[in-house]
Amino acid sequence: DAKTTQPNSMESNEEEPVHLPCNHSTISGTDYIHWYRQLPSQGPEYVIHGLTSNVNNRMASLAIAEDRKSSTLILHRATLRDAAVYYCILSYDYKLSFGAGTTVTVRA
Amino acid sequence: EAGVAQSPRYKIIEKRQSVAFWCNPISGHATLYWYQQILGQGPKLLIQFQNNGVVDDSQLPKDRFSAERLKGVDSTLKIQPAKLEDSAVYLCASSFSETQYFGPGTRLLVL
Repeated sequence: DAKTTQPNSMESNEEEPVHLPCNHSTISGTDYIHWYRQLPSQGPEYVIHGLTSNVNNRMASLAIAEDRKSSTLILHRATLRDAAVYYCILSYDYKLSFGAGTTVTVRA
Repeated sequence: EAGVAQSPRYKIIEKRQSVAFWCNPISGHATLYWYQQILGQGPKLLIQFQNNGVVDDSQLPKDRFSAERLKGVDSTLKIQPAKLEDSAVYLCASSFSETQYFGPGTRLLVL
């Protein structure tokens, strides 16, 4: 499985942007980059995914490096409800291989 | 749209007992997944179904775990006999494309 590397934790202030980095230097040409998040005591929740181009949706933006070896999830204005574990995953054959993720704490 | 349903939400059993979990995926989703999530770790895929056929069960401990998806809709995951290390949250997910939708999970404690 292609692996991803994320920081263990990040802190942010409410209403400020959050930039979550992810390194995936062994990514293959057909791997999609997915981001899921898991709020306390809930199942993971889809955030965003992309292949080569940057992507935006109502939850977040995904910036993908030109060589695809890294990406950044951007939460434009963090709220207390965004406190969660964020997983960066390379998807192949519709399978997700979760790592430990980044625990995001949002300060009021 | 109704989400993925799982039951029970919590289960406490003693080691060597058996337990079963149930999952009802989102209507129309052909692919169904079972994951195990141990405290402090990310979910680990146990088994993937496409309709009622198994696509991948390479990480399912088949000596004690079994799963079925009759008629390509609901699914059950069984553990028999349970061990202490099976204490975890068991998550079910379904999809019809790249995106997976997860249920709330069943929290299992084996004493």
